[in-house]
Amino acid sequence: AQSVTQLDSQVPVFEEAPVELRCNYSSSVSVYLFWYVQYPNQGLQLLLKYLSGSTLVKGINGFEAEFNKSQTSFHLRKPSVHISDTAEYFCAVIDIAGNNRKLIWGLGTSLAVNP
Amino acid sequence: NAGVTQTPKFRILKIGQSMTLQCTQDMNHNYMYWYRQDPGMGLKLIYYSVGAGITDKGEVPNGYNVSRSTTEDFPLRLELAAPSQTSVYFCASSFQGAYHSGNTIYFGEGSWLTVV
Repeated sequence: AQSVTQLDSQVPVFEEAPVELRCNYSSSVSVYLFWYVQYPNQGLQLLLKYLSGSTLVKGINGFEAEFNKSQTSFHLRKPSVHISDTAEYFCAVIDIAGNNRKLIWGLGTSLAVNP
Repeated sequence: NAGVTQTPKFRILKIGQSMTLQCTQDMNHNYMYWYRQDPGMGLKLIYYSVGAGITDKGEVPNGYNVSRSTTEDFPLRLELAAPSQTSVYFCASSFQGAYHSGNTIYFGEGSWLTVV
């Protein structure tokens, strides 16, 4: 069964530094991939998604992610973070090979941007 | 645009009580979902609906019921609340099936429920 691993539960970083949040999934079948962000006391909001096409996906707020099929990864990056990027980030995957599709969520990575 | 609105935001229930979490969306989305989010665990799908009058179980439906009488509303009912139902609940919606089409899922702000 498909699973999602977010390799870091917490990532502290200084403002204006680059950041990478890592996400690996277990099965290399055809997939849809997502990154969602959850700001404190708010619902989740889509950052970006990969459905097909270019493996480099650009999202909102300057984030981007690269789909690497051979490494079954979908790491999220931002070249320079702001205090306002402090939030919980969730990676999610859907196996699209069959009809019984499930959206599998990672456990989240807490990004703390410090001044 | 209000998006997905869910109420109440916070609630404390006693064991055995019942309650309904309300959810409404104003985006004319056909698909609606209820998730729960527990510490240290990913979101889990409780129930979903593909349109008015049609609902189906998700991964963790036990102890819950839903109805979808209109496109806009998708209430979640907890019968005989148990401590295991202490969680954060999110209502969500998508224009088409997010799982089959990769459509964006829009989430409400969450409802924090504690069962004591």
